[in-house]
Amino acid sequence: SSELTQDPAVSVALGQTVRITCQGDSLRYYFASWYQQKPGQAPVLVIYTENNRPSGIPDRFSGSSSGNTASLTITEAQAEDEADYYCSSRDSSGNHRVFGTGTKVTVL
Amino acid sequence: QVQLVQSGAEVRKPGASVKVSCKASGYTFSNYPIHWVRQAPGQGLEWLGTINPSGGSTSYLQRFQGRFTMTRDTSTSTVYMELISLKSEDTAVYYCTREEYGEFYFDYWGQGTLVTVSS
Repeated sequence: SSELTQDPAVSVALGQTVRITCQGDSLRYYFASWYQQKPGQAPVLVIYTENNRPSGIPDRFSGSSSGNTASLTITEAQAEDEADYYCSSRDSSGNHRVFGTGTKVTVL
Repeated sequence: QVQLVQSGAEVRKPGASVKVSCKASGYTFSNYPIHWVRQAPGQGLEWLGTINPSGGSTSYLQRFQGRFTMTRDTSTSTVYMELISLKSEDTAVYYCTREEYGEFYFDYWGQGTLVTVSS
């Protein structure tokens, strides 16, 4: 079972803002990274080390954290942001990696 | 440019084994750990284990100990994942992914390899 918990699904109106959360004890000590996955494709890194964006990722994606919760915010969501999103971090032992349960984002 | 190119889809019967390759290019192979992640149909991502291409050390998810082996060939910049005693539950897309050393995030991913276990 995953040590990082996410809401299964969220929806957002086109152009509005949506926040996706990821909860787990290990997030008190380690940064989260976030991945976007569209159907039939490999995951793509969108946020790393809490709030850094790789080259090519739009600045409408941002990250934050507080306590045992990491968050991914999509500001002014676009149709192309519709995808599954996964958080990831080190597990509670610090030796392994773990993924969140995933959140399906629907843009209305 | 950085690329991770995986071998093609495989079909195996229960109890058999499978070996998937991941060929790296566009960067210094020994400087970045490679991880394997799988995704069963309609399910989420599951981390399986990692290999340090420099010295070959590995670390696996506990429940795969004994069934899962990672190796590397530094002469061809290729990492291999072998899973034995296959079960139908091992049917999944297997991804290799590169980790920025010491940073704990995955910046490049292979295209994925579908492994189907069926009698």
